Amino acid sequence: KQEVTQIPAALSVPEGENLVLNCSFTDSAIYNLQWFRQDPGKGLTSLLLIQSSQREQTSGRLNASLDKSSGRSTLYIAASQPGDSATYLCAVWGGGTSYGKLTFGQGTILTVHP
Amino acid sequence: DGGITQSPKYLFRKEGQNVTLSCEQNLNHDAMYWYRQDPGQGLRLIYYSQIVNDFQKGDIAEGYSVSREKKESFPLTVTSAQKNPTAFYLCASSAGINTEAFFGQGTRLTVV
Repeated sequence: KQEVTQIPAALSVPEGENLVLNCSFTDSAIYNLQWFRQDPGKGLTSLLLIQSSQREQTSGRLNASLDKSSGRSTLYIAASQPGDSATYLCAVWGGGTSYGKLTFGQGTILTVHP
Repeated sequence: DGGITQSPKYLFRKEGQNVTLSCEQNLNHDAMYWYRQDPGQGLRLIYYSQIVNDFQKGDIAEGYSVSREKKESFPLTVTSAQKNPTAFYLCASSAGINTEAFFGQGTRLTVV
């Protein structure tokens, strides 16, 4: 069964700092990996989708990388801002018995203070 | 506006009642999903549907039921058999299998 782990569970940084969020998954037979943002009490907002054949994907100040063979992904946020404060979730689209399912990690709670 | 609409935003259920959560999408997506979110446990898959008139159980389907009679609608019924239904319920859709998923704003269900 696919399991997704995110480290750290929480992160607090000053404004302007560059930061990295980590995601690992146990079964490397994935199709795609997706990063989301969730604000308190709200739904999820899709940030980036990385296909299994890609190594990285960029959107504005966000850059996500994928190393499928080692079962790892990172989300890099450049020049962080207080508005980036949210929970960031990593999820993988699985293969095999997890085909068609999106499996989530527990998230990293990010706080960017002025 | 294109997107996924969940209603109601807040729902209160008495012990022994069935309640139905609505999820509608106008993105013309084939696949739809229901997740449950509890504090400290992340999102867990309840049911998913890859095409109209077909659906599969996810990881925690017991006490829940769904239907997919129309492409744009995927309602979730929380039955009295679900012993701990208080949670935040999220609906999602994607164009197809393993493609980018988009989420609604969620329904918070509380047992009173």
